[in-house]
Amino acid sequence: EVQLQESGPGLVKPSQSLSLTCSVTGYSITSHYWGWIRKFPGNKMEWMGYISYSGSTSYNPSLKSRISITRDTSKNQFFLQLNSVTTEDTATYYCARYYYITYFDYWGQGVMVTVSS
Amino acid sequence: IQLTQSPSLLSASVGDRVTLSCKGSQNINNYLAWYQQKLGEAPKLLIYNTNSLQTGIPSRFSGSGSGTDYTLTISSLQPEDVATYFCYQYNNGWTFGGGTKLELK
Repeated sequence: EVQLQESGPGLVKPSQSLSLTCSVTGYSITSHYWGWIRKFPGNKMEWMGYISYSGSTSYNPSLKSRISITRDTSKNQFFLQLNSVTTEDTATYYCARYYYITYFDYWGQGVMVTVSS
Repeated sequence: IQLTQSPSLLSASVGDRVTLSCKGSQNINNYLAWYQQKLGEAPKLLIYNTNSLQTGIPSRFSGSGSGTDYTLTISSLQPEDVATYFCYQYNNGWTFGGGTKLELK
């Protein structure tokens, strides 16, 4: 079974970078697509971007200048980096398998990240 | 495409037939999914392509709709269905609805 697990710091200071890891078991990230989604306080959810089986990426235009998604195929992990964070980036961040760039069929538990000084 | 879910909060009794609505600002062409999220858990895919039931999901869940209007129906509400439900479209970009919180009356 496909399982995903996010990890990373729960507190980031404003203007710094947020870096998260998604560890995948039960499936190779060199197949399919893999994405990041975040859920803000108040329940609004936002599609952030994805990385493909080949390593190509696509990002939400609203984040394009600040976001980077990369991977380490040897560890079967992919990563999210969000630069120049503000308090508005406070959210729970989820990684998920992205079924042929349509819907997300397997999700991690999520990691809550607070941006605060 | 923006998605509007209604109601935002729904109270129902065990055994009730429950209907949740999701309305798009444009035609979604049936590229709509529904997710269930229980407190502290990962979202779970229930329905994709409007009415296809994800493997392992109980048959009391069903989806329908077309154009801009879509519905998730729970035929007989069970206590374990208490959760927040999100719709999600992948016809034009990828966006989520604001969610419907389902609680027991």
